[in-house]
Amino acid sequence: AQSVTQLGSHVSVSEGALVLLRCNYSSSVPPYLFWYVQYPNQGLQLLLKYTTGATLVKGINGFEAEFKKSETSFHLTKPSAHMSDAAEYFCAVSEGDSGNTPLVFGKGTRLSVIA
Amino acid sequence: EAGVAQSPRYKIIEKRQSVAFWCNPISGHATLYWYQQILGQGPKLLIQFQNNGVVDDSQLPKDRFSAERLKGVDSTLKIQPAKLEDSAVYLCASSPSAGVYTIYFGEGSWLTVV
Repeated sequence: AQSVTQLGSHVSVSEGALVLLRCNYSSSVPPYLFWYVQYPNQGLQLLLKYTTGATLVKGINGFEAEFKKSETSFHLTKPSAHMSDAAEYFCAVSEGDSGNTPLVFGKGTRLSVIA
Repeated sequence: EAGVAQSPRYKIIEKRQSVAFWCNPISGHATLYWYQQILGQGPKLLIQFQNNGVVDDSQLPKDRFSAERLKGVDSTLKIQPAKLEDSAVYLCASSPSAGVYTIYFGEGSWLTVV
Protein backbone atom coordinates (compact mmCIF):
# COMPACT_ATOMS: atom_id res chain seq x y z
CA ALA A 1 0.00 0.00 0.00
CA GLN A 2 1.14 3.50 -0.73
CA SER A 3 1.83 6.03 1.98
CA VAL A 4 3.25 9.51 2.38
CA THR A 5 5.14 11.01 5.30
CA GLN A 6 5.55 14.74 5.56
CA LEU A 7 8.21 15.69 8.07
CA GLY A 8 7.16 18.65 10.17
CA SER A 9 3.54 19.63 10.62
CA HIS A 10 4.55 23.28 10.80
CA VAL A 11 7.42 25.11 9.13
CA SER A 12 8.17 28.77 9.71
CA VAL A 13 10.50 30.81 7.50
CA SER A 14 11.37 34.46 7.10
CA GLU A 15 10.28 36.33 4.01
CA GLY A 16 12.98 35.90 1.36
CA ALA A 17 14.40 32.74 2.93
CA LEU A 18 14.55 29.29 1.38
CA VAL A 19 11.45 27.14 1.71
CA LEU A 20 12.01 23.39 2.14
CA LEU A 21 9.07 21.08 2.78
CA ARG A 22 9.93 17.42 3.14
CA CYS A 23 8.02 14.47 1.71
CA ASN A 24 8.90 10.78 1.74
CA TYR A 25 6.75 8.15 0.10
CA SER A 26 6.27 4.42 0.08
CA SER A 27 5.06 2.66 -3.05
CA SER A 28 5.43 -0.83 -4.48
CA VAL A 29 5.18 0.45 -8.04
CA PRO A 30 6.75 3.47 -9.80
CA PRO A 31 5.02 6.38 -8.13
CA TYR A 32 3.44 9.47 -9.50
CA LEU A 33 4.01 12.29 -7.03
CA PHE A 34 2.19 15.53 -6.43
CA TRP A 35 2.29 18.65 -4.30
CA TYR A 36 -0.91 20.52 -3.58
CA VAL A 37 -1.43 23.81 -1.75
CA GLN A 38 -4.49 24.72 0.28
CA TYR A 39 -5.24 28.29 1.28
CA PRO A 40 -7.65 28.94 4.17
CA ASN A 41 -11.23 27.98 3.39
CA GLN A 42 -10.33 26.85 -0.10
CA GLY A 43 -9.88 23.58 -1.92
CA LEU A 44 -6.63 22.02 -3.08
CA GLN A 45 -4.64 23.53 -5.93
CA LEU A 46 -2.02 21.55 -7.81
CA LEU A 47 1.48 23.03 -7.48
CA LEU A 48 3.40 20.46 -9.47
CA LYS A 49 3.56 16.79 -10.33
CA TYR A 50 6.09 14.15 -11.29
CA THR A 51 5.02 11.31 -13.58
CA THR A 52 7.99 10.26 -15.72
CA GLY A 53 11.05 11.86 -17.28
CA ALA A 54 12.99 14.70 -15.70
CA THR A 55 13.26 14.25 -11.97
CA LEU A 56 13.38 17.99 -11.24
CA VAL A 57 9.90 19.35 -11.68
CA LYS A 58 8.99 23.02 -11.80
CA GLY A 59 5.58 24.20 -10.74
CA ILE A 60 3.60 27.34 -10.24
CA ASN A 61 4.54 30.27 -8.01
CA GLY A 62 8.27 29.48 -8.21
CA PHE A 63 8.09 26.10 -6.49
CA GLU A 64 9.99 23.05 -7.62
CA ALA A 65 10.51 19.50 -6.39
CA GLU A 66 12.99 16.76 -7.10
CA PHE A 67 12.13 13.07 -7.30
CA LYS A 68 14.88 10.99 -5.70
CA LYS A 69 14.11 7.31 -6.08
CA SER A 70 17.05 6.16 -3.96
CA GLU A 71 15.83 8.28 -1.06
CA THR A 72 12.10 7.77 -1.78
CA SER A 73 11.74 11.51 -1.44
CA PHE A 74 9.97 14.35 -3.24
CA HIS A 75 10.88 17.48 -1.30
CA LEU A 76 9.36 20.83 -2.25
CA THR A 77 11.54 23.94 -2.43
CA LYS A 78 11.32 27.61 -3.26
CA PRO A 79 14.39 29.85 -3.23
CA SER A 80 12.73 32.89 -1.70
CA ALA A 81 9.58 32.80 0.42
CA HIS A 82 6.84 35.36 -0.06
CA MET A 83 4.12 36.28 2.39
CA SER A 84 1.54 34.91 -0.04
CA ASP A 85 3.11 31.44 0.26
CA ALA A 86 1.65 30.98 3.74
CA ALA A 87 -0.70 28.01 3.39
CA GLU A 88 -1.04 24.27 3.99
CA TYR A 89 0.96 22.03 1.67
CA PHE A 90 0.14 18.41 0.93
CA CYS A 91 2.29 15.80 -0.72
CA ALA A 92 0.47 12.96 -2.45
CA VAL A 93 1.27 9.74 -4.29
CA SER A 94 -0.58 7.56 -6.75
CA GLU A 95 0.29 4.39 -8.58
CA GLY A 96 2.01 5.25 -11.81
CA ASP A 97 0.87 3.82 -15.12
CA SER A 98 -2.55 2.99 -13.75
CA GLY A 99 -4.31 6.15 -14.78
CA ASN A 100 -6.80 7.90 -12.54
CA THR A 101 -5.78 6.00 -9.45
CA PRO A 102 -6.75 7.91 -6.32
CA LEU A 103 -4.25 10.06 -4.51
CA VAL A 104 -2.94 9.11 -1.08
CA PHE A 105 -2.10 12.25 0.87
CA GLY A 106 0.28 13.08 3.65
CA LYS A 107 -0.94 14.89 6.74
CA GLY A 108 0.19 18.25 5.46
CA THR A 109 2.70 20.91 6.45
CA ARG A 110 1.59 24.37 7.43
CA LEU A 111 3.96 27.02 6.13
CA SER A 112 4.17 30.32 7.95
CA VAL A 113 6.12 33.24 6.47
CA ILE A 114 7.42 35.86 8.86
CA ALA A 115 7.94 39.43 7.70
CA GLU B 1 -13.34 26.59 -17.96
CA ALA B 2 -15.58 26.20 -14.94
CA GLY B 3 -14.10 24.32 -11.99
CA VAL B 4 -15.55 21.64 -9.75
CA ALA B 5 -18.66 23.03 -8.08
CA GLN B 6 -19.79 21.97 -4.62
CA SER B 7 -22.72 22.91 -2.42
CA PRO B 8 -23.48 23.76 0.25
CA ARG B 9 -20.19 25.31 1.29
CA TYR B 10 -21.01 25.20 4.98
CA LYS B 11 -23.41 23.10 7.02
CA ILE B 12 -24.00 22.72 10.74
CA ILE B 13 -26.21 19.86 11.92
CA GLU B 14 -26.92 18.02 15.13
CA LYS B 15 -25.71 14.48 15.61
CA ARG B 16 -28.06 11.82 14.27
CA GLN B 17 -29.39 14.22 11.64
CA SER B 18 -28.78 13.73 7.94
CA VAL B 19 -26.96 15.87 5.39
CA ALA B 20 -26.32 15.75 1.66
CA PHE B 21 -23.58 17.34 -0.39
CA TRP B 22 -23.69 17.92 -4.12
CA CYS B 23 -20.86 18.02 -6.62
CA ASN B 24 -20.75 18.97 -10.28
CA PRO B 25 -17.42 18.01 -11.86
CA ILE B 26 -15.63 19.75 -14.69
CA SER B 27 -17.47 19.14 -17.94
CA GLY B 28 -16.35 15.97 -19.67
CA HIS B 29 -14.46 14.54 -16.70
CA ALA B 30 -15.21 10.85 -16.41
CA THR B 31 -13.72 10.26 -12.97
CA LEU B 32 -15.16 11.75 -9.81
CA TYR B 33 -13.83 11.43 -6.26
CA TRP B 34 -15.11 12.28 -2.81
CA TYR B 35 -12.49 12.89 -0.14
CA GLN B 36 -12.91 13.55 3.57
CA GLN B 37 -10.49 15.97 5.22
CA ILE B 38 -10.56 16.07 9.00
CA LEU B 39 -8.96 19.11 10.62
CA GLY B 40 -5.19 18.67 10.83
CA GLN B 41 -5.08 15.72 8.48
CA GLY B 42 -4.67 15.12 4.78
CA PRO B 43 -7.64 14.24 2.60
CA LYS B 44 -8.76 10.61 2.67
CA LEU B 45 -10.55 8.98 -0.26
CA LEU B 46 -14.13 7.95 0.44
CA ILE B 47 -15.29 6.87 -3.01
CA GLN B 48 -14.21 6.98 -6.65
CA PHE B 49 -16.57 6.87 -9.64
CA GLN B 50 -15.70 6.17 -13.25
CA ASN B 51 -18.66 7.57 -15.21
CA ASN B 52 -21.60 6.25 -13.17
CA GLY B 53 -19.87 3.15 -11.81
CA VAL B 54 -18.08 2.78 -8.49
CA VAL B 55 -14.37 2.01 -8.81
CA ASP B 56 -13.37 2.12 -5.15
CA ASP B 57 -15.52 2.58 -2.06
CA SER B 58 -13.42 0.53 0.33
CA GLN B 59 -13.01 3.41 2.79
CA LEU B 60 -16.62 4.59 2.72
CA PRO B 61 -18.42 3.91 6.06
CA LYS B 62 -21.36 2.27 4.36
CA ASP B 63 -23.47 2.05 7.49
CA ARG B 64 -23.94 5.82 7.40
CA PHE B 65 -22.45 7.19 4.18
CA SER B 66 -23.81 6.76 0.68
CA ALA B 67 -22.93 8.30 -2.65
CA GLU B 68 -24.34 8.16 -6.13
CA ARG B 69 -23.56 9.44 -9.59
CA LEU B 70 -26.63 8.35 -11.50
CA LYS B 71 -26.06 9.91 -14.92
CA GLY B 72 -22.29 9.94 -14.85
CA VAL B 73 -22.14 13.67 -14.29
CA ASP B 74 -22.97 15.23 -10.93
CA SER B 75 -22.83 13.34 -7.66
CA THR B 76 -24.38 13.40 -4.20
CA LEU B 77 -22.78 12.29 -0.94
CA LYS B 78 -25.14 11.62 1.96
CA ILE B 79 -24.51 11.04 5.64
CA GLN B 80 -27.26 9.54 7.78
CA PRO B 81 -27.15 9.56 10.74
CA ALA B 82 -24.27 11.94 11.35
CA LYS B 83 -21.81 11.48 14.18
CA LEU B 84 -19.59 14.05 15.84
CA GLU B 85 -16.52 12.51 14.19
CA ASP B 86 -17.99 13.25 10.76
CA SER B 87 -17.11 16.92 11.23
CA ALA B 88 -14.77 17.55 8.32
CA VAL B 89 -14.41 19.11 4.92
CA TYR B 90 -15.81 16.99 2.12
CA LEU B 91 -13.87 17.56 -1.06
CA CYS B 92 -15.10 16.61 -4.47
CA ALA B 93 -12.58 16.19 -7.26
CA SER B 94 -12.63 15.17 -10.90
CA SER B 95 -10.20 14.14 -13.59
CA PRO B 96 -10.36 13.44 -17.31
CA SER B 97 -10.21 9.97 -18.81
CA ALA B 98 -7.40 7.59 -17.96
CA GLY B 99 -3.96 8.74 -18.94
CA VAL B 100 -4.23 12.27 -17.61
CA TYR B 101 -2.85 12.41 -14.12
CA THR B 102 -4.28 15.67 -12.88
CA ILE B 103 -7.08 15.81 -10.38
CA TYR B 104 -9.00 19.04 -9.90
CA PHE B 105 -10.57 19.79 -6.53
CA GLY B 106 -13.60 21.82 -5.58
CA GLU B 107 -13.55 24.26 -2.69
CA GLY B 108 -15.12 21.75 -0.33
CA SER B 109 -18.21 21.45 1.82
CA TRP B 110 -17.51 22.16 5.48
CA LEU B 111 -19.56 20.05 7.88
CA THR B 112 -19.83 20.65 11.61
CA VAL B 113 -21.76 18.10 13.66
CA VAL B 114 -22.77 19.33 17.13
